[in-house]
Amino acid sequence: GQNIDQPTEMTATEGAIVQINCTYQTSGFNGLFWYQQHAGEAPTFLSYNVLDGLEEKGRFSSFLSRSKGYSYLLLKELQMKDSASYLCAVMDSNYQLIWGAGTKLIIKP
Amino acid sequence: GAVVSQHPSWVICKSGTSVKIECRSLDFQATTMFWYRQFPKQSLMLMATSNEGSKATYEQGVEKDKFLINHASLTLSTLTVTSAHPEDSSFYICSARVGWRDYNEQFFGPGTRLTVL
Repeated sequence: GQNIDQPTEMTATEGAIVQINCTYQTSGFNGLFWYQQHAGEAPTFLSYNVLDGLEEKGRFSSFLSRSKGYSYLLLKELQMKDSASYLCAVMDSNYQLIWGAGTKLIIKP
Repeated sequence: GAVVSQHPSWVICKSGTSVKIECRSLDFQATTMFWYRQFPKQSLMLMATSNEGSKATYEQGVEKDKFLINHASLTLSTLTVTSAHPEDSSFYICSARVGWRDYNEQFFGPGTRLTVL
C-alpha cells in the first residue's frame, strides 16, 4: 500500500528553527510537495522536490532523498504566523497526490 | 499566480436536500480538477478526479451517485452533494491542474464548509 508518515504535532519557539520530517512508500514517484494549511483554509503550496537535495526558498527549505524515501521541511526564524499544519504529499506513478495526515506546528512566544 | 475560486464559501442545508459547489480556475485553463474532502483534524481525502469533457474518476468508497461531478468546461467543475446527510458535513476543497501527465502544481480553491442539519 501507499503510505506517507509525518509527526502529528510539533512545538517550537518563535525565532527558532524547526524540521518537519516526512517518510513515504508509494507506487512510483513523480515528486514530493509540501503545503501549508492554516485552520479553516485550503492548503497553499510551499515547495516541490523531484531530485535529491535541498531546495531553499527564503525562510523555508525542503530536502529530498529518494533512495531513503525521506524528505524534510526546514523552517527558520519562526514567526507566530507559521503556526499551521504542514502537509507532505507525494505524486505517484499515476500523477496522483498521496497526502500525509499533516503535522500541526505550534509556535510559542 | 494561478487563482482558483470556490462558491459558496460555506453553506448550511437541511438533511435530504442537494447542494452544488462550484470550482473555477480564474486565469488559466484546467484540464484536470480534483475534489477533496477534509474532516476536522484529518488530512485531505481525494474524492474524485475530473477531466474536462469526460466522466469523473471516483476514489474507492466514494459514491458517484451521491457526489455528482460535472467538468463542463476548462474553467469550471461542479460537485453536487445529493440528498445530503449530517455525516456529509465537511470541508470540501477543489484543486486545478494544468497539463496532463507532466508535473504541474495543483492550485487549491479556498474550500467550502458544508454543514448539514
